Amino acid sequence: DAGVIQSPRHEVTEMGQEVTLRCKPISGHDYLFWYRQTMMRGLELLIYFNNNVPIDDSGMPEDRFSAKMPNASFSTLKIQPSEPRDSAVYFCASSVRGGYGYTFGSGTRLTVV
Amino acid sequence: QQPVQSPQAVILREGEDAVINCSSSKALYSVHWYRQKHGEAPIFLMILLKGGEQKGHDKISASFNEKKQQSSLYLTASQLSYSGTYFCGTDYTGGGNKLTFGTGTQLKVEL
Repeated sequence: DAGVIQSPRHEVTEMGQEVTLRCKPISGHDYLFWYRQTMMRGLELLIYFNNNVPIDDSGMPEDRFSAKMPNASFSTLKIQPSEPRDSAVYFCASSVRGGYGYTFGSGTRLTVV
Repeated sequence: QQPVQSPQAVILREGEDAVINCSSSKALYSVHWYRQKHGEAPIFLMILLKGGEQKGHDKISASFNEKKQQSSLYLTASQLSYSGTYFCGTDYTGGGNKLTFGTGTQLKVEL
């Protein structure tokens, strides 16, 4: 199994531009999570899905952020418009079901200038 | 409501032992432990459920005291490969689907 696959690995964009991060979870995993990691705030849960349905998006910082999971093998996190304070490493993780360990992707390092 | 980890950082000589603590101000259903090396993704180590169980994984083990709302990770006979940042992830809602990660403990093992 290739694990959780995220793309791109690095993204540098200008303030105001739209950014789309992509994630392919492990096949058979029913849960998908989007986390953001910064030095100041650590690992923060943004949103999670169960069977492609968003369950809890209370961690999404504001309306500029949106996430979708159109099928079991693909999810996107979109930021529009992007701001410098969005600079962080964004991780996608999946889990076979509740109460099991998460497998994280390699992350996308986003820099907004 | 982020769980607090202690110590923040620790340096060990190879072969020494270490304990990392994770304390919560709220009741916990379960605790996850992860290790992250610089520039890499967090790697799952183990999960502990209510009931005060203790688990082991090679020379790394952990305990969970639900009454005290805390968990401890024990690293014995540390190896160079143990270096990294350790995070606890706490489940406050049950179901294990909404983890709140701790502040992290940086561990460095030297020769």
